[in-house]
Amino acid sequence: QKEVEQNSGPLSVPEGAIASLNCTYSDRGSQSFFWYRQYSGKSPELIMFIYSNGDKEDGRFTAQLNKASQYVSLLIRDSQPSDSATYLCAVILTGGGNKLTFGTGTQLKVEL
Amino acid sequence: AAGVIQSPRHLIKEKRETATLKCYPIPRHDTVYWYQQGPGQDPQFLISFYEKMQSDKGSIPDRFSAQQFSDYHSELNMSSLELGDSALYFCASSLKTTNEKLFFGSGTQLSVL
Repeated sequence: QKEVEQNSGPLSVPEGAIASLNCTYSDRGSQSFFWYRQYSGKSPELIMFIYSNGDKEDGRFTAQLNKASQYVSLLIRDSQPSDSATYLCAVILTGGGNKLTFGTGTQLKVEL
Repeated sequence: AAGVIQSPRHLIKEKRETATLKCYPIPRHDTVYWYQQGPGQDPQFLISFYEKMQSDKGSIPDRFSAQQFSDYHSELNMSSLELGDSALYFCASSLKTTNEKLFFGSGTQLSVL
């Protein structure tokens, strides 16, 4: 079992809809969670981070964290074609220093 | 704002050759990380440095070595290259006091023929 798991997708949503991306992690002691967006052949770009249970909103993005259930999700409202990318969930594991452990990513396709 | 700078952007080598990848972190960032990303895979942590000292080590082959210099730039040295080393190599930097947010460079695409 991977330490950070995501559905690889592709997840297809129509333009203007809400895209929901999910991530589960195995280390119950993890405290720091990140969402990165990566376009093909490009570097990961940090779009959200969350440390506390609950929701955190930033523009069209909302990160949700539930430590009891060990999942973190990313909601993208009013999805645009430019949101089409791979979304990587990343976690700092207990005893892992400050390095990020990534999930395999979910490919999102926003269709016109 | 200044970002993480990596060079070269693309590198083509033959088997058994050596390669050196360079990374210039965001100014004032004190930690550098190296990641390897194969096609369709997630980034895999290789090694990190904090204040010029190795701070963590991941799945880095013995053929690879890295260091961070006094100006905080870092170099990843890769020897006896194998076909399987073909990947995107990312450098990321962070400031320890900013809750571990990593910012990535554009990466070096290494192709081993």
